[in-house]
Amino acid sequence: DAKTTQPNSMESNEEEPVHLPCNHSTISGTDYIHWYRQLPSQGPEYVIHGLTSNVNNRMASLAIAEDRKSSTLILHRATLRDAAVYYCILFLPYLYNQGGKLIFGQGTELSVKP
Amino acid sequence: NAGVTQTPKFQVLKTGQSMTLQCAQDMNHNSMYWYRQDPGMGLRLIYYSASEGTTDKGEVPNGYNVSRLNKREFSLRLESAAPSQTSVYFCASKNRGAKNIQYFGAGTRLSVL
Repeated sequence: DAKTTQPNSMESNEEEPVHLPCNHSTISGTDYIHWYRQLPSQGPEYVIHGLTSNVNNRMASLAIAEDRKSSTLILHRATLRDAAVYYCILFLPYLYNQGGKLIFGQGTELSVKP
Repeated sequence: NAGVTQTPKFQVLKTGQSMTLQCAQDMNHNSMYWYRQDPGMGLRLIYYSASEGTTDKGEVPNGYNVSRLNKREFSLRLESAAPSQTSVYFCASKNRGAKNIQYFGAGTRLSVL
């Protein structure tokens, strides 16, 4: 089964960049890499996703290895509000009546120090 | 913007009691989902509804039933609650295409004693 592996926790200093790694060695050619984050007592929130190429949006950047077996979520300047659990997720688009399936890993708990 | 609204936020049940968790979305999304999250774990899919009028089992459907009442509402029912169903339950919705982004509610924290 497809799955992702992440460090359990990471620490960062405020206003410094953060690189959150993820391994997904069993990824298939049609699987997307999604990242969500979950703030305390809230539901997960979409951050970014990609298939093969690196991606940027207003929240973060996603760097995908050439063999697609790993990826890194980059927060360019961490703030205290970025403290959350970050999930690296494989999205399998053809399952569940073409609605797709999100496969969550255990996530990385990011703490940000002032 | 309300997004995905779940009620109740908290609930305590005794073993064998029944209850229904409610979920409504105001984004005109076709697909809706119910997940559970246990301590230290990611989310696991219980049931989903790809469109109004259809529902299907996910990874962990045993002990649950669902109803897609209309396009907006998707409810999850526990007929006879068990301690193993103590968890945090999340509802999510998504539109077809649209980058396959799921929007989640704030969750229902359920304890079964």
